[in-house]
Amino acid sequence: NAGVTQTPKFRVLKTGQSMTLLCAQDMNHEYMYWYRQDPGMGLRLIHYSVGEGTTAKGEVPDGYNVSRLKKQNFLLGLESAAPSQTSVYFCASRPLVSYNSPLHFGNGTRLTVT
Amino acid sequence: GQQVMQIPQYQHVQEGEDFTTYCNSSTTLSNIQWYKQRPGGHPVFLIQLVKSGEVKKQKRLTFQFGEAKKNSSLHITATQTTDVGTYFCVGDTGRRALTFGSGTRLQVQP
Repeated sequence: NAGVTQTPKFRVLKTGQSMTLLCAQDMNHEYMYWYRQDPGMGLRLIHYSVGEGTTAKGEVPDGYNVSRLKKQNFLLGLESAAPSQTSVYFCASRPLVSYNSPLHFGNGTRLTVT
Repeated sequence: GQQVMQIPQYQHVQEGEDFTTYCNSSTTLSNIQWYKQRPGGHPVFLIQLVKSGEVKKQKRLTFQFGEAKKNSSLHITATQTTDVGTYFCVGDTGRRALTFGSGTRLQVQP
């Protein structure tokens, strides 16, 4: 049971380039989340999804897009990367069984935009 | 929007000393969760508190949820070097989005 898998683990982009971060979970969780964590900071919610085909904005959605075409996958896209998007990106998921279920995190993607 | 503040931001203790971090939400919470993140790692779930005034213990860790369900605390008794990391509270208002606190980084001097 792999849990939550994020790819890639590391990436360096030039300003203006685009990329997609993939999050895959094999726990049949309904809820999925994308967070970013800047050095010495907490995690800030970018976008989240409460089910296949649905997405919603979090605290810091600008510059990012997401898609949840399949229940197990949640994609985070950067259309035109900026240095301010240099960060560690974490994906998390949790089940719908009740409102009090913990988040399961992936190992993160370290993104540098030069 | 909902804000969750934690204090202190950083604490450096000698091994064996106690440690406490406090979490305050701007809104009433359905429940609060606590996570620990080791340097270079991802957040790992520690515990969840649901009831007003609830107190839970995990070995040397004691978690409390305030009566008004807007604040919480984590207390570690007799810290060890394995306690090093950043501790986050996560406020759940029941609206599906989970807001992380700013975190408290704990450093333990052997």
